[in-house]
Amino acid sequence: DTAVSQTPKYLVTQMGNDKSIKCEQNLGHDTMYWYKQDSKKFLKIMFSYNNKELIINETVPNRFSPKSPDKAHLNLHINSLELGDSAVYFCASSQVTSYGYTFGSGTRLTVV
Amino acid sequence: QKEVEQNSGPLSVPEGAIASLNCTYSDRVSQSFFWYRQYSGKSPELIMSIYSNGDKEDGRFTAQLNKASQYVSLLIRDSQPSDSATYLCASNTGTASKLTFGTGTRLQVTL
Repeated sequence: DTAVSQTPKYLVTQMGNDKSIKCEQNLGHDTMYWYKQDSKKFLKIMFSYNNKELIINETVPNRFSPKSPDKAHLNLHINSLELGDSAVYFCASSQVTSYGYTFGSGTRLTVV
Repeated sequence: QKEVEQNSGPLSVPEGAIASLNCTYSDRVSQSFFWYRQYSGKSPELIMSIYSNGDKEDGRFTAQLNKASQYVSLLIRDSQPSDSATYLCASNTGTASKLTFGTGTRLQVTL
């Protein structure tokens, strides 16, 4: 069974569209994250939820809106997509940050 | 200044040699340190964590931490072609905080 699963794996869309990425974890972890990895492999945190509560909200455009219906799910909705949004988006979860994260397989978003 | 810095590489080592990957961090309150391996097109995979000064060994991998120098390293003994990947260093400042990642070092193990 996949521990952290993300859908879709690939997403190609036109500028201006709205899209969502879904993430689910079956590890029983309390905390989930969204990270963006750019073309230079730099992983930058976007959001973090602990047991459905938003605890980290980095400097991210308002076009990005996370939602956590329960502690096993964290979704990311992106409005008015721009070319610069093209990247790989990783979902991750942890029970305690000091134990590290488990990452999902990533969603490669390409905006054309 | 980036919080976690790594040389982007590529670091090229022959098969069977020791690969040495280095990482420095700027936040003195950093408590936990991690090494992730990321194959091309795949997600990061945790391979080592270290919390105290000194060395920690796990199979062919040894993590080293020097908090006074704000330095973390990963040694890979008997390097194999399958070790060829990008290695990401990460740190956090507390149990409830985020992981901050470096930009990664690309390792190439040559035959």
